[in-house]
Amino acid sequence: ETGVTQTPRHLVMGMTNKKSLKCEQHLGHNAMYWYKQSAKKPLELMFVYSLEERVENNSVPSRFSPECPNSSHLFLHLHTLQPEDSALYLCASSQDQYGTRAFFGQGTRLTVV
Amino acid sequence: AQRVTQPEKLLSVFKGAPVELKCNYSYSGSPELFWYVQYSRQRLQLLLRHISRESIKGFTADLNKGETSFHLKKPFAQEEDSAMYYCALSYNQGGKLIFGQGTELSVKP
Repeated sequence: ETGVTQTPRHLVMGMTNKKSLKCEQHLGHNAMYWYKQSAKKPLELMFVYSLEERVENNSVPSRFSPECPNSSHLFLHLHTLQPEDSALYLCASSQDQYGTRAFFGQGTRLTVV
Repeated sequence: AQRVTQPEKLLSVFKGAPVELKCNYSYSGSPELFWYVQYSRQRLQLLLRHISRESIKGFTADLNKGETSFHLKKPFAQEEDSAMYYCALSYNQGGKLIFGQGTELSVKP
């Protein structure tokens, strides 16, 4: 699939589990982002990576740990999450961190039980 | 602080009626404003950006700096326009976006 792909689409995990969300883009972009979409809240920017370096961390708890091994892949490692972390997690990419045309993945629906 | 406000959670109109989805922002500099749309079971996608001054699927939006607004308009709504619409702001020429809470548009036959 071209564009931005996220796996898995759905994830249910216990509070003591460790899981990872994966995002892959085939657009040749150099910037990638994690957003969180909670019920009744606007989309919130979590992390920004540019050329595989983290350039922004918006006060996200350490139980969320991003990883960007190369410009095409972005991971979000999850551990000891709380039920309030249940949300839709969206990955996006853009040409660079100054290019504001962002392309989004379909998201991972995360439920923490 | 930068903020985007979409006052309406749900907007319901009949097919053929005009539609306006409101968006107000707060930012002291020169922002870039966008509208994103998410159709049922599809990913969030860019609808239009104020810099382009384009019309996509019959939608237009004009940046009004005096009123700090970027309302999305369409003169004649179609059923296929039913979706979630998000207004977003980008600042400091950065790729990161600040989103409003979204407005669900429901176009009834």
